[in-house]
Amino acid sequence: NAGVTQTPKFQVLKTGQSMTLQCAQDMNHEYMSWYRQDPGMGLRLIHYSVGAGITDQGEVPNGYNVSRSTTEDFPLRLLSAAPSQTSVYFCASSYGGGRAEEQFFGPGTRLTVL
Amino acid sequence: GNSVTQMEGPVTLSEEAFLTINCTYTATGYPSLFWYVQYPGEGLQLLLKATKADDKGSNKGFEATYRKETTSFHLEKGSVQVSDSAVYFCALSDSGGYQKVTFGTGTKLQVIP
Repeated sequence: NAGVTQTPKFQVLKTGQSMTLQCAQDMNHEYMSWYRQDPGMGLRLIHYSVGAGITDQGEVPNGYNVSRSTTEDFPLRLLSAAPSQTSVYFCASSYGGGRAEEQFFGPGTRLTVL
Repeated sequence: GNSVTQMEGPVTLSEEAFLTINCTYTATGYPSLFWYVQYPGEGLQLLLKATKADDKGSNKGFEATYRKETTSFHLEKGSVQVSDSAVYFCALSDSGGYQKVTFGTGTKLQVIP
C-alpha cells in the first residue's frame, strides 16, 4: 500500500493564480481531510469529507474548494492564490469518523505564493 | 471550543536523557487524546493514544497517561535517541459527530549525540 500520497511536493505560485493539490489514498478510507500547517499554529482543518460526494468546511475554508467524486481522491483547489495561503498542506484519511480513529497523513505539499 | 496547549520548543537533549513534553487540554465531554510525531520532511504519524481517563498510551518507549483531573497528557521517554529528533504534536478528538481533531502547536525535539 502506498498509503496517502500528495502531489506536488513543492509549488510556487504568483498571486491570483489557481491550482489543484492532489491527494489520493489506497486504504479504502471513507474519511479524508485537508489541513494547513503554519509556524506557531499547529494544524488547522480546511475541508473534510465523510464519503464520496460529501464534503464540509473546516476551521479555515475561505479561498479553497474541494470535491470528492471517488473514495480514493480528494483534491484541494486554490481559486485565486494569495500570499496568506503560503503554508504546508497535509492531506489525511481515516477509516472511520469515531473519536478514537487514527489519521494517516500524506507527506505534505509546501506552497509558496509570491 | 477545544484547545490544546503544548510547551514551547525547541527542546534540546543529549542522547539517553529523560524526555518530558507537557500537554494540557480544554474540551467538553470525554475526548480522545493523541500524540503524533513528524519526522523531517514527512507527514504526521500516530505515536500513541488514550481514549479514557487513566489510560496509558505507549509506543517505541514513549508513554503518556490521560489525566482528567489535571486535563493533561504529558509525553515521556526514559532515554532518548538521536533518531527521536522530530516535532511532536499533542491532539484531541472530541466526541461530537465526525472526528474533529484539535492539534497543539507542536514541540520540536533535537537530540544530540
